[in-house]
Amino acid sequence: DAKTTQPPSMDCAEGRAANLPCNHSTISGNEYVYWYRQIHSQGPQYIIHGLKNNETNEMASLIITEDRKSSTLILPHATLRDTAVYYCIVAGGATNKLIFGTGTLLAVQP
Amino acid sequence: DAGVIQSPRHEVTEMGQEVTLRCKPISGHDYLFWYRQTMMRGLELLIYFNNNVPIDDSGMPEDRFSAKMPNASFSTLKIQPSEPRDSAVYFCASSLNRYSPLHFGNGTRLTVT
Repeated sequence: DAKTTQPPSMDCAEGRAANLPCNHSTISGNEYVYWYRQIHSQGPQYIIHGLKNNETNEMASLIITEDRKSSTLILPHATLRDTAVYYCIVAGGATNKLIFGTGTLLAVQP
Repeated sequence: DAGVIQSPRHEVTEMGQEVTLRCKPISGHDYLFWYRQTMMRGLELLIYFNNNVPIDDSGMPEDRFSAKMPNASFSTLKIQPSEPRDSAVYFCASSLNRYSPLHFGNGTRLTVT
């Protein structure tokens, strides 16, 4: 599975959009980009995933570049409850085995 | 749906004792995963099952660890004998199929003294 690179931490003001970047330059054609988050003392929570088209759901939007080498997770109106570690994972093919990296700690400030 | 249910939430045991962690996946999900999380190593995949059959146990750290899935609604992760370095949060997750998102339980925090 391809490796991902994320900044270790980011800050965001409450009510503003949070844009979390992820680089995955070695992604292969059949691999998806998944985003999960982990709020303190809880299990990871699925947010969104995509292959090559941009995706949106009730939680977030996922923007994948045309060459698929990077992506951005957008939380349109961050709240204090969005403070968490956000994981970008690339996986696909014959298994949905997910390998978690170190993620980005997003701190939403009041 | 109640989600993935893990028990116990906390377990404190002495070195050398046997520890059994339990997981009930979401009904109808074909895949079940066991992960371990520590500050030093982050989230590590230990083993996963498909239709109750272990598919990949390459993440199991050593023979002291074993996992079973006797039926579609129950799995156990056993450590025998336990050691202090096994202290971690152990998560169970399930998914509908190989393309579906993983749903995680709230974990079992294991402390081995």
